[in-house]
Amino acid sequence: AQSVTQLGSHVSVSEGALVLLRCNYSSSVPPYLFWYVQYPNQGLQLLLKYTSAATLVKGINGFEAEFKKSETSFHLTKPSAHMSDAAEYFCAVSPPGGTALIFGKGTTLSVSS
Amino acid sequence: KAGVTQTPRYLIKTRGQQVTLSCSPISGHRSVSWYQQTPGQGLQFLFEYFSETQRNKGNFPGRFSGRQFSNSRSEMNVSTLELGDSALYLCASSPGDRDNEQFFGPGTRLTVL
Repeated sequence: AQSVTQLGSHVSVSEGALVLLRCNYSSSVPPYLFWYVQYPNQGLQLLLKYTSAATLVKGINGFEAEFKKSETSFHLTKPSAHMSDAAEYFCAVSPPGGTALIFGKGTTLSVSS
Repeated sequence: KAGVTQTPRYLIKTRGQQVTLSCSPISGHRSVSWYQQTPGQGLQFLFEYFSETQRNKGNFPGRFSGRQFSNSRSEMNVSTLELGDSALYLCASSPGDRDNEQFFGPGTRLTVL
């Protein structure tokens, strides 16, 4: 069975500071990993995905994540936070070729000026 | 291209009633997945349809069902509504190849009174 754990349900940063959102996964097979963002009253938007190619994945809006098999982690980072980054972020896992995404509980990112 | 559309956006029902939600995928996409999002349980996979056939199913009771039409549009039905069915129901479409990302709609907010 696969599962995802997002450490920290709420993260607060100042504008211009580093953003680090943590995600650890559990999977018996090499997984595909995803980060999605959700703004209020909207659906989910894909930020980036890891599908067994390069371990450092670059996504939209300056976000990137690194797949670390030894740590079973896929943390999301952004060098400099912007006010518009305030949203809820979800890490998700699926088996290769699988169509069902298993999501973490989400992390709400707040950005202060 | 138009994105994934879901109708209605908001719905209020009473316990015991049934409800049907609709999802129109991105043009050319053949796979439609449904997810339930609640504050307590987070995002959970309901089922996926591909070429009018259910290809994958989550762990939900039989009161939750779906179907897909020849034009790839999908409907989800919940019978005998319970208070706990109050949630945001998200639909996601993908081209159908199992490694493709899923594009989410804005969701239908269902409130059961």
